Amino acid sequence: AQTVTQSQPEMSVQEAETVTLSCTYDTSENNYYLFWYKQPPSRQMILVIRQEAYKQQNATENRFSVNFQKAAKSFSLKISDSQLGDTAMYFCAFRSGGTSYGKLTFGQGTILTVHP
Amino acid sequence: DVKVTQSSRYLVKRTGEKVFLECVQDMDHENMFWYRQDPGLGLRLIYFSYDVKMKEKGDIPEGYSVSREKKERFSLILESASTNQTSMYLCASRPGRSLQYFGAGTRLSVL
Repeated sequence: AQTVTQSQPEMSVQEAETVTLSCTYDTSENNYYLFWYKQPPSRQMILVIRQEAYKQQNATENRFSVNFQKAAKSFSLKISDSQLGDTAMYFCAFRSGGTSYGKLTFGQGTILTVHP
Repeated sequence: DVKVTQSSRYLVKRTGEKVFLECVQDMDHENMFWYRQDPGLGLRLIYFSYDVKMKEKGDIPEGYSVSREKKERFSLILESASTNQTSMYLCASRPGRSLQYFGAGTRLSVL
C-alpha cells in the first residue's frame, strides 16, 4: 500500500516571499501521479499542480512549482511571491497509474498562513 | 464547469441515528468517492464506486455503507451514528481516467 507523509503540520510565510512544503511518499510502483491540492477556508478542494512520475521535468503552474525527486520519493511544492489568498491547507496526494479507479492517497496536510 | 454537490454543509445528529450523506454530480462521471477528513490524518477513503450499483471498500469502511442506484448520486450511510464519526466528509467524482472533482464537504457532528 502507498503512504504519503507531510511532516510539516503548519507553516507561515510573509507576503511576497517564497515557501516550500514537503511531501514524501512510499510506493513500489513505477507508474503513478502526484498532486498538490489546496483547501481554503471555503473547504473547496482545488488542484494546484500535478506531476506524472514518468516525466523528469518538474511541473510548474505560474507561482507554483514542484521539486520531484523520484529516487528519493520526494515531491515538494514551492510557492513563489506568496499572496494572502494562498492561505489554506495543502494536501499532497498519490494516485496509482494502474487500474485503481483513480483512488487518491493523501498526506496529513500542511496549514499554510501567509502574513501581510 | 463540473459540479459536485453535497446536500448539507453542516449536519448535527444524535448517537444511534441513521444518517444519509448525499452527493450528486452533473457530468456523468463513472467513478465516485467518499473521503473522511480529520486533523492530522488528512483525507482517508471510505468507499468508492466505479459504476451504478458497484462499490468497493476503501481504507476505513467500518461503520459505513454506500448506495449508488443512479449514476449521478452516491450516498454515504451511517447505519448507527457514533461520536467517533464526527468529522468532515468529502465527496468526489472522476470521469474515466481524468482528475477528481470535489464537493464542498459536509461537517457532521454526532452528539
